[in-house]
Amino acid sequence: EAQVTQNPRYLITVTGKKLTVTCSQNMNHEYMSWYRQDPGLGLRQIYYSMNVEVTDKGDVPEGYKVSRKEKRNFPLILESPSPNQTSLYFCASSPWQGSEKLFFGSGTQLSVL
Amino acid sequence: QQPVQSPQAVILREGEDAVINCSSSKALYSVHWYRQKHGEAPVFLMILLKGGEQKGHEKISASFNEKKQQSSLYLTASQLSYSGTYFCGTRTGTASKLTFGTGTRLQVTL
Repeated sequence: EAQVTQNPRYLITVTGKKLTVTCSQNMNHEYMSWYRQDPGLGLRQIYYSMNVEVTDKGDVPEGYKVSRKEKRNFPLILESPSPNQTSLYFCASSPWQGSEKLFFGSGTQLSVL
Repeated sequence: QQPVQSPQAVILREGEDAVINCSSSKALYSVHWYRQKHGEAPVFLMILLKGGEQKGHEKISASFNEKKQQSSLYLTASQLSYSGTYFCGTRTGTASKLTFGTGTRLQVTL
């Protein structure tokens, strides 16, 4: 089944403890992206990648890191999480950046205490 | 800058109609609509392209006013399954990134 897989689904952590949210897609998509969803603010892009080893900042990149060493994987790294990073995170992919449709993962609800 | 959606939230009875608006400050190439059911990922509904082309959902219609940089999503004879949060996404060019709006929560009741 074609899908974008995110893990974990839920995560509770404490301020400053490094964490990684994994994202993997099995559709051979070139483009992958991370979003955070907050009430009243909609979906905001954190980072995106147009291809392997090519990543760039989105609209709200502060406090996040990403890497794209393989086409299928695009992990989101929070080196020192803070409470303002408590949010619902989505990974998404598409064949290329200009594709009509984005395919989203099931989301990761992160709480930073 | 994010496109602005209105209303922020709406409650309907089953069978009623609703319109969700998406407004941008930039000239647009395309508008994309997604629906997110509670606890799930956003799912693509349809795309409207500059020049009038539309692709997407059979039961949901939308319009795109290129001059006003606005799009509207029309939900007619709403069903319980229409409940969720609707997002518009906009592009300013064929390969530019997709910027999502602030979202509209729709609840359909019996």
